[in-house]
Amino acid sequence: DTGVSQDPRHKITKRGQNVTFRCDPISEHNRLYWYRQTLGQGPEFLTYFQNEAQLEKSRLLSDRFSAERPKGSFSTLEIQRTEQGDSAMYLCASSSQVPSYNSPLHFGNGTRLTVT
Amino acid sequence: DQQVKQNSPSLSVQEGRISILNCDYTNSMFDYFLWYKKYPAEGPTFLISISSIKDKNEDGRFTVFLNKSAKHLSLHIVPSQPGDSAVYFCAARGSNYQLIWGAGTKLIIKP
Repeated sequence: DTGVSQDPRHKITKRGQNVTFRCDPISEHNRLYWYRQTLGQGPEFLTYFQNEAQLEKSRLLSDRFSAERPKGSFSTLEIQRTEQGDSAMYLCASSSQVPSYNSPLHFGNGTRLTVT
Repeated sequence: DQQVKQNSPSLSVQEGRISILNCDYTNSMFDYFLWYKKYPAEGPTFLISISSIKDKNEDGRFTVFLNKSAKHLSLHIVPSQPGDSAVYFCAARGSNYQLIWGAGTKLIIKP
């Protein structure tokens, strides 16, 4: 169990540029989640995959955001035409079942995005 | 609307004493509650959880209490240790199995 891996750890980009983040979940986990966290707030749900199917998207997720999970393994989160308000920590998590005492979410260390 | 609230942004406790972190929620349909701990530059890590059908769950130095009538849960850490200094998040599981998170409480353990 190597844990959830996210790449890059930090990304600085200029407003209007596109960025893509990658998440590699724990290998046997079929559920993968993307969250966004800003300073002083808890993680905010963005979207969720079960295997390769994207089952839920937050209504907060604008059409500039897109996520994929080809073949049900790693996932990518792309933000197009970045805005300063997109600056945040983007967290990926995985689990083997719905969140419960024996299947808690396992988080990666996040990608910190700064839009200048 | 904040369905899960952690009203104390920070808490300072002497090493060896009890730390009590609080969490309030508004949705009586939440069926499961979790506490996560987060160190700087790391993702949150699972600490302890409780089902809505229980009122207490204990794991070593950590105990979570649930008061459903008050829609309140608390995390007790005893004795507190320097390594417990972190941000603690309370999360609740809703009907769609998604987690709703509080804003976190920063716990500082003083030597």
